[in-house]
Amino acid sequence: DTGVSQDPRHKITKRGQNVTFRCDPISEHNRLYWYRQTLGQGPEFLTYFQNEAQLEKSRLLSDRFSAERPKGSFSTLEIQRTEQGDSAMYLCASRSGTGYEQYFGPGTRLTVT
Amino acid sequence: RKEVEQDPGPFNVPEGATVAFNCTYSNSASQSFFWYRQDCRKEPKLLMSVYSSGNEDGRFTAQLNRASQYISLLIRDSKLSDSATYLCVVKPSNTGKLIFGQGTTLQVKP
Repeated sequence: DTGVSQDPRHKITKRGQNVTFRCDPISEHNRLYWYRQTLGQGPEFLTYFQNEAQLEKSRLLSDRFSAERPKGSFSTLEIQRTEQGDSAMYLCASRSGTGYEQYFGPGTRLTVT
Repeated sequence: RKEVEQDPGPFNVPEGATVAFNCTYSNSASQSFFWYRQDCRKEPKLLMSVYSSGNEDGRFTAQLNRASQYISLLIRDSKLSDSATYLCVVKPSNTGKLIFGQGTTLQVKP
C-alpha cells in the first residue's frame, strides 16, 4: 500500500496523559499536513510542513500540541496533558511539490476519558 | 461566520434523482476550490477541482462564481454508491492549508 499511513488507528487515553501519533506520507511527497475532525464537522487545519520545516500553525494548535518532521519524511503529532475536548479524528495528508491534491491517511481516532 | 459554509442536510433522494449542493466562502483571496467526498468513518478523498469555467466529470458538474463567492456541485442520475458526505474545500492564496466546510450529507435511497 503506497498511500498515507497513520499509527495508531485508535487511541484511548485518560485525561492528563500524553499521546503521540505518527504519519507516514506518500513516498517523495515533500508536503505534509495535520488536520483534526470532530463529529459532524469538516477537517480543521492544524499544521503544515514542507520537508522538515514547519511553515504554518493554526491558532487551534495550543502549546499542548507539538508536531515534528525531523528528516522530512514521517511526522509525529504529540498532545500533552490531554483534555476531553481533544477527542477527535486526527488526519494526516501529504502532497507532492508539483501536484495540488492532498491525499489523506485513514486517521487516528483519539478518545480521552 | 465560518470561512466556508454548507447546508449540512441530510439530503435524502431516490436513485436516479438530480441533486445540487451549494457552498459559500468568505475569503475573496481564495485561490483554489475543490469538492472532497468522505464516506462514513473514512478519510476525505478528492472528488473534483472546481474552475471558474465550470467543469464536468461524468455525472458530476462543479461550478464556481468568484463574484458571488459561491461554489456548487450537481450530481445527475444519483446512485446508491453516491451516498456520502460532500465537503466544499477552499485553498486561500499564500497558504498551504485547505479550509473545509461542514459537509453536506447525501443519502440515496432505492
